[in-house]
Amino acid sequence: RKEVEQDPGPFNVPEGATVAFNCTYSNSASQSFFWYRQDCRKEPKLLMSVYSSGNEDGRFTAQLNRASQYISLLIRDSKLSDSATYLCVVDYNNNDMRFGAGTRLTVKP
Amino acid sequence: DAGVIQSPRHEVTEMGQEVTLRCKPISGHNSLFWYRQTMMRGLELLIYFNNNVPIDDSGMPEDRFSAKMPNASFSTLKIQPSEPRDSAVYFCASSLRGRLMSYTFGSGTRLTVV
Repeated sequence: RKEVEQDPGPFNVPEGATVAFNCTYSNSASQSFFWYRQDCRKEPKLLMSVYSSGNEDGRFTAQLNRASQYISLLIRDSKLSDSATYLCVVDYNNNDMRFGAGTRLTVKP
Repeated sequence: DAGVIQSPRHEVTEMGQEVTLRCKPISGHNSLFWYRQTMMRGLELLIYFNNNVPIDDSGMPEDRFSAKMPNASFSTLKIQPSEPRDSAVYFCASSLRGRLMSYTFGSGTRLTVV
């Protein structure tokens, strides 16, 4: 089983749509969780952390379910500029991070 | 801060040649990571260092790959001999150990082995 698994997509949605990505992880000892964004031919960049109680940053909402070892990212009112690959990231031994393969999102006019 | 600096940005080499990728971490960061990204396998951790010491190299694909960190401001990833299946984007990242929010990637080196 992979350490971090994501649906690769692609997700093709119209502007203004709400879209959700899911991710599962295998290491029950993991303590820190993140979503990264990667644009085409660019490096991954931190989008947001994921907290146990769930957290929101503008149009983005992240949720964590420790019992099911499951993380989600919800994007509301999607914009053309949201088109990118979204990587689910989980810490390993609180030092290095393990990345999912990413979910590709395309927002169309 | 200049961020994590990788060189070269692009490398095209012939099969069998030695390839050396370079990375300068963010000043003050004490952990450094080498990743490889391909369409098929995604982003894979190859090796990481804490305070210049290799901690986990279990992701290094085979003996043709080696990595060094002679000091806190420089690391290399070497492939010798290179093969076409090594073609990928290689990313270096650095962080303050235990402070995952500080994790920062370089722009990557796009390697093509022909």
